[in-house]
Amino acid sequence: KAGVTQTPRYLIKTRGQQVTLSCSPISGHRSVSWYQQTPGQGLQFLFEYFSETQRNKGNFPGRFSGRQFSNSRSEMNVSTLELGDSALYLCASSFGQGRLHSGANVLTFGAGSRLTVL
Amino acid sequence: AQSVTQLDSQVPVFEEAPVELRCNYSSSVSVYLFWYVQYPNQGLQLLLKYLSGSTLVESINGFEAEFNKSQTSFHLRKPSVHISDTAEYFCAVRPHNAGNMLTFGGGTRLMVKP
Repeated sequence: KAGVTQTPRYLIKTRGQQVTLSCSPISGHRSVSWYQQTPGQGLQFLFEYFSETQRNKGNFPGRFSGRQFSNSRSEMNVSTLELGDSALYLCASSFGQGRLHSGANVLTFGAGSRLTVL
Repeated sequence: AQSVTQLDSQVPVFEEAPVELRCNYSSSVSVYLFWYVQYPNQGLQLLLKYLSGSTLVESINGFEAEFNKSQTSFHLRKPSVHISDTAEYFCAVRPHNAGNMLTFGGGTRLMVKP
């Protein structure tokens, strides 16, 4: 079956603009998480959605937001872009959020959206 | 809160040599442990995981990791590496009851030389 699909794969924006990234989870997966990867800070958790509700949020400013639709697809938005927002944004999906007895809730990552802010 | 330390940022090794990538973690609650691999310009791929049971877990491509609760470690090993194993490897933890919020280590770049 198809994996986690992220669009666009690459994009360039200028400071002050906003950007929306899209993530389509694996079919049947209802939990979507977002991570930011930068050379300086490494991989950091942004937020997690399950059944259209934000369940967890990382330590990022309010310029970072997201949502999940009824078909489990998710978008994240970054407003008023700063140079430091340049990063690889990774989306991951899983069946649910619960305990990992069977591995069904282990995260599967997409290839990422690489954002460059000039 | 959890933290993960990968002790080596880069590990150069010759092809067919053994390798160990070290990972230590800190957590006040029980955690699941993972190793992910990232090839250039790609996302993260799950290499192996420790959920419960046997403390030694193996992947299909020859990697293994052992969960050591007393030393809070989850080191990754391979007895004989290939050029194709060149990639960045990330150790991660997730508390049993914290949704899908992974805490990652800083990564170890494995460089396999011919």
